[in-house]
Amino acid sequence: EAGVTQFPSHSVIEKGQTVTLRCDPISGHDNLYWYRRVMGKEIKFLLHFVKESKQDESGMPNNRFLAERTGGTYSTLKVQPAELEDSGVYFCASSPLQSRNTEAFFGQGTRLTVV
Amino acid sequence: GNSVTQMEGPVTLSEEAFLTINCTYTATGYPSLFWYVQYPGEGLQLLLKATKADDKGSNKGFEATYRKETTSFHLEKGSVQVSDSAVYFCALSRSGTASKLTFGTGTRLQVTL
Repeated sequence: EAGVTQFPSHSVIEKGQTVTLRCDPISGHDNLYWYRRVMGKEIKFLLHFVKESKQDESGMPNNRFLAERTGGTYSTLKVQPAELEDSGVYFCASSPLQSRNTEAFFGQGTRLTVV
Repeated sequence: GNSVTQMEGPVTLSEEAFLTINCTYTATGYPSLFWYVQYPGEGLQLLLKATKADDKGSNKGFEATYRKETTSFHLEKGSVQVSDSAVYFCALSRSGTASKLTFGTGTRLQVTL
């Protein structure tokens, strides 16, 4: 069974450009999370989807970030326009919709560099 | 709010040395506690977890005990191997589910021969 897949693995863009990150969760996982690790600091929560609905988007830094999960399958995270401080590693995780003791499975991350 | 503090790295050890990576937390209620590991070039993997006080999580020779009185979840291994070289993240969630995780800053471990 395929794990959580993220694309691209690396992206280098100029300040002001747009970048779209994609996450394919494990098939059948209704929970999907986005996290970000900036400059060797802690990994911070961005948002949580349950199927196609945003359950919690309290970690989204500002309105330059737009996450979607049309159809409740894969998700995209678009940054427009990108700023230097958006550089970091963006992780996606998924888990089944169960009530207890459920592990979240993480992808390899997308390393975004804004220059 | 919730927070996790873990010792800064990098930690450099010789093979077969004893490892401790300290982790303390601040949280309301009774969080679940986790250690995640990121090996070079790979994603985050759950290493072990504990969901209530005094529980001990263990996996691959690593152990951590949920200490509510000291709000700690220190990671230990009796004899590290070169293959344990990775970045280790302590994390918590508000319940036993895979809900929103709060992570520490990560500790890089380098094990040498």
